[in-house]
Amino acid sequence: DGGITQSPKYLFRKEGQNVTLSCEQNLNHDAMYWYRQDPGQGLRLIYYSQIVNDFQKGDIAEGYSVSREKKESFPLTVTSAQKNPTAFYLCASSPTGENYGYTFGSGTRLTVV
Amino acid sequence: DQQVKQNSPSLSVQEGRISILNCDYTNSMFDYFLWYKKYPAEGPTFLISISSIKDKNEDGRFTVFLNKSAKHLSLHIVPSQPGDSAVYFCAATAVRRGAQKLVFGQGTRLTINP
Repeated sequence: DGGITQSPKYLFRKEGQNVTLSCEQNLNHDAMYWYRQDPGQGLRLIYYSQIVNDFQKGDIAEGYSVSREKKESFPLTVTSAQKNPTAFYLCASSPTGENYGYTFGSGTRLTVV
Repeated sequence: DQQVKQNSPSLSVQEGRISILNCDYTNSMFDYFLWYKKYPAEGPTFLISISSIKDKNEDGRFTVFLNKSAKHLSLHIVPSQPGDSAVYFCAATAVRRGAQKLVFGQGTRLTINP
């Protein structure tokens, strides 16, 4: 079955450490996205990528970095520069060129301890 | 600046009745709108969408209405069922080539009571 896989589902990080969240899709979608969900604030766009080796900042990119070396993979690194990293992180993908909407992964809950 | 707003954080409806979830937007460039449903600790799933060239789209128990002049859309669920209890997100985007950047509202938690 085609879909998006995010791992791990729960992640704990000590303050000052970088951590990388995995996102893999086998839907053959060109575009991939990372969103963050906080209570009462909905989903906010961190980074997105339209094609391999290309990515753009979203609305809240500070303290995050991404790479897109393969079409199927779009990992997100939460760096120590991110001031409030505890959140629920969602990865999504979509075809490009038309309004197909997104397919989302099941999310990763990151907690800084 | 919140471009997409869902002003009701929560809504409680009796099973079998109609649920109406509302969404307002400020960006006049938005021309495609979507509703997503989300259960706890899961990713959102697509529910229904509407293009700005239409004012209504229906899919089974779900109907979305768009009022462009008021920059308002609503999702109607009838009849409401216990499995509809979830958080519903409204999203909007402007038609363009390439990646579709969706802007989401804050979400409305819908609870269906037996």
